[in-house]
Amino acid sequence: QVQLQQSGAELVKPGSSVKMSCKASGYTFTSYYIYWIKQRPGQGLEWIGRIGPGSGDTNYNEKFKGKATFTVDKSSSTAYMQLSSLTPEDTAVYYCARGAGYWGQGVMVTVSS
Amino acid sequence: DIQMTQSPASLSASLGETVTIECRASEDIYSNLAWYQQKPGNSPQLLIYDANSLADGVPSRFSGSGSGTQYSLKINSLQSEDVASYFCQQYNNYPFTFGSGTKLEIK
Repeated sequence: QVQLQQSGAELVKPGSSVKMSCKASGYTFTSYYIYWIKQRPGQGLEWIGRIGPGSGDTNYNEKFKGKATFTVDKSSSTAYMQLSSLTPEDTAVYYCARGAGYWGQGVMVTVSS
Repeated sequence: DIQMTQSPASLSASLGETVTIECRASEDIYSNLAWYQQKPGNSPQLLIYDANSLADGVPSRFSGSGSGTQYSLKINSLQSEDVASYFCQQYNNYPFTFGSGTKLEIK
């Protein structure tokens, strides 16, 4: 069965970076885009962008250009998202998803000094 | 970016009732619309895709309709397990955008 297992919660300081992972299993990793979505506490959902693991091509929401960077490791079927220059506004749960139907459990990132 | 205006923001209904949630897109999205259910502490779960196609394993009391810029999600015979937040999402244009959500409670 398709599964997306995300890394654990992060507590990071303002101005720092964080890199989270999304390990895929149960399907051919290179055949489907991985999407990244942000959800601030008690708020709605924001689409950050997507990466094609086979080709490496990416689409970023303009709002997150310079903030988020997507990479993949095909050998381990893992997608990564790095967030840089973190501020309290980056405090959120970050989800990876394969298409609309399969989502990871989310990574809670807390930015606090 | 395409703006998705979702209404109502919150909704309280009785068990067994039928409820409808609506989403309006700022431009035609050609039925490239999904509906999600999210329970507290959980990831969103896909209910409907392509505006009216039921996702695998989703009870048939959920249905989607609409075209152009106007879409709706209907829940028939409301059950206690339907208490959740519901979001629409368009995937016609980048960036894919979400509605602001509807919080559904039982009266």
